[in-house]
Amino acid sequence: AQKVTQAQTEISVVEKEDVTLDCVYETRDTTYYLFWYKQPPSGELVFLIRRNSFDEQNEISGRYSWNFQKSTSSFNFTITASQVVDSAVYFCALSEAYEAAGNKLTFGGGTRVLVKP
Amino acid sequence: ETGVTQTPRHLVMGMTNKKSLKCEQHLGHNAMYWYKQSAKKPLELMFVYSLEERVENNSVPSRFSPECPNSSHLFLHLHTLQPEDSALYLCASSQEGSLGDEQFFGPGTRLTVL
Repeated sequence: AQKVTQAQTEISVVEKEDVTLDCVYETRDTTYYLFWYKQPPSGELVFLIRRNSFDEQNEISGRYSWNFQKSTSSFNFTITASQVVDSAVYFCALSEAYEAAGNKLTFGGGTRVLVKP
Repeated sequence: ETGVTQTPRHLVMGMTNKKSLKCEQHLGHNAMYWYKQSAKKPLELMFVYSLEERVENNSVPSRFSPECPNSSHLFLHLHTLQPEDSALYLCASSQEGSLGDEQFFGPGTRLTVL
């Protein structure tokens, strides 16, 4: 069975500090995708980034960057120069395919990020 | 309307009531999902519909009954719920067939069962 673990339940930082969120996953699939979603107080989950299991190149997108290490089954996410608007709950998720269609996301427990001015 | 919408945003019901949650997606997707998010558990997948057919029922109690009349609409019919069913119910949609497609979520319905 797939499993996603986010060990940090809450992180509090001061604006402009960097924030790194940890994610460890378990899967038997050889092909899978990893995602990070953000859930602001309004409730809806907002897609941030994705990485497939065959691409371990780490990237930067604006203030977001991620570190995917297959050897340790980790997919960590960093917000650089945090802002108050970054305050939200962040979820790491693992995707597996159904035989029929669609895909199934297994979510971690989430990490609440509080950015103080 | 754009994206994924859900109504109502808040719902309070008694254990003997019958109510329905509605989800509509305006993205042209053909897979839709119901998730439950409670304080005690991470996001749990409840149901998956693809091309209007249910492809997953994740051991959800029969007091939750989904309906997908077309690829744009998804309902969750509720009856004789329990207080532990109080949670945020999120609807999502995606394009069928691609493992890497992200799911787009609605704002959720905050359900309180008295």
